[in-house]
Amino acid sequence: DAGVIQSPRHEVTEMGQEVTLRCKPISGHDYLFWYRQTMMRGLELLIYFNNNVPIDDSGMPEDRFSAKMPNASFSTLKIQPSEPRDSAVYFCASTDRAGANYGYTFGSGTRLTVV
Amino acid sequence: AQSVTQPDIHITVSEGASLELRCNYSYGATPYLFWYVQSPGQGLQLLLKYFSGDTLVQGIKGFEAEFKRSQSSFNLRKPSVHWSDAAEYFCAVGNNAGNMLTFGGGTRLMVKP
Repeated sequence: DAGVIQSPRHEVTEMGQEVTLRCKPISGHDYLFWYRQTMMRGLELLIYFNNNVPIDDSGMPEDRFSAKMPNASFSTLKIQPSEPRDSAVYFCASTDRAGANYGYTFGSGTRLTVV
Repeated sequence: AQSVTQPDIHITVSEGASLELRCNYSYGATPYLFWYVQSPGQGLQLLLKYFSGDTLVQGIKGFEAEFKRSQSSFNLRKPSVHWSDAAEYFCAVGNNAGNMLTFGGGTRLMVKP
């Protein structure tokens, strides 16, 4: 199993540009989570999906952020327009319904820098 | 609501010394507890987990953790730290549905030669 795959690993963009982060969860996992990690705020849950349906997006900072999961093997997190304060590492994680038994599997993250 | 507190933001230990990282949780039922490690530039990797049974659980890389219900704690320990253990460590509590983990703020471990 290749694990949770995120792309790109690094992204540098100019303020005002659209940014799209991508995630491929582990096959068979029906929960997918997007986290943001910064020095100031630590690890924050942005949104999570169950069976491709967004369940809780209360952590999404504002309307500039959107996430989709068009199928069980792919999710995107989009920021439009991007701002310097969005600079962070964004992690995707997945688990199955027995997540309590196994915890989450995290991707390697996307380091976003907005200049 | 579940919550996790890691009281120590930074800890520095000498290589070869023992280590204990503290974790306190709040959860109304029997908790599912986890420790994750994050090396620089990497994602979070599961070290160990506790659901039930023996309160002392063994994990990877020589780590262990002990669940103490009376103290609402799940402290992580290692008898002898190696320089490669320098990383950030996160404690997490899971709900009984298994689909939501709440993470602590993390403890950054530095290892002196």
